[in-house]
Amino acid sequence: KNQVEQSPQSLIILEGKNCTLQCNYTVSPFSNLRWYKQDTGRGPVSLTIMTFSENTKSNGRYTATLDADTKQSSLHITASQLSDSASYICVVVGSTLGRLYFGRGTQLTVWP
Amino acid sequence: DVKVTQSSRYLVKRTGEKVFLECVQDMDHENMFWYRQDPGLGLRLIYFSYDVKMKEKGDIPEGYSVSREKKERFSLILESASTNQTSMYLCATLTSGSSSSYNEQFFGPGTRLTVL
Repeated sequence: KNQVEQSPQSLIILEGKNCTLQCNYTVSPFSNLRWYKQDTGRGPVSLTIMTFSENTKSNGRYTATLDADTKQSSLHITASQLSDSASYICVVVGSTLGRLYFGRGTQLTVWP
Repeated sequence: DVKVTQSSRYLVKRTGEKVFLECVQDMDHENMFWYRQDPGLGLRLIYFSYDVKMKEKGDIPEGYSVSREKKERFSLILESASTNQTSMYLCATLTSGSSSSYNEQFFGPGTRLTVL
């Protein structure tokens, strides 16, 4: 069964600290993996997209890694800011029909 | 910039009412999607459409129908709203091209529907 599991479910960190969010998936065949940020009450916005041949991709303070062999991805946030408080969703795109599989998200709260 | 708009940010309806949720995109994308998002469950696909007048069921189509009469507009219809359809509804579009690897999915702002 194609699944995407994220951990932790929620996370609280202090402003300025770093954190890492995890995503494990069983989707096969695999096309690409995306991380989205969703602010409360808004639609998700794409942060990074990686194919199976890419190990790491950065977008400002966000760095995503992908290990296609172990089917694991992580999103590392450096020097967190209050505006990073949001839900972070891992999405895996299957090769078959381009179907998207969503994780349930990690709710990140950054405290001053 | 891709723009995906939804007709309402907040909507309150009564049980049994017929509800229309409208989604409009301005980037000529072929593929459009309707999801619902509930706490602890993440996004779940209701219906999608890959062309005008074409539609496909997603994972949870029961209680919903869709309409795609024009390329830029994808409507979600709740024929007879029920309380368990209280949720956040998100519309999305997907670019398509010769390579599927970097197709980008863009989301609308969402409609929070409450059914009383």
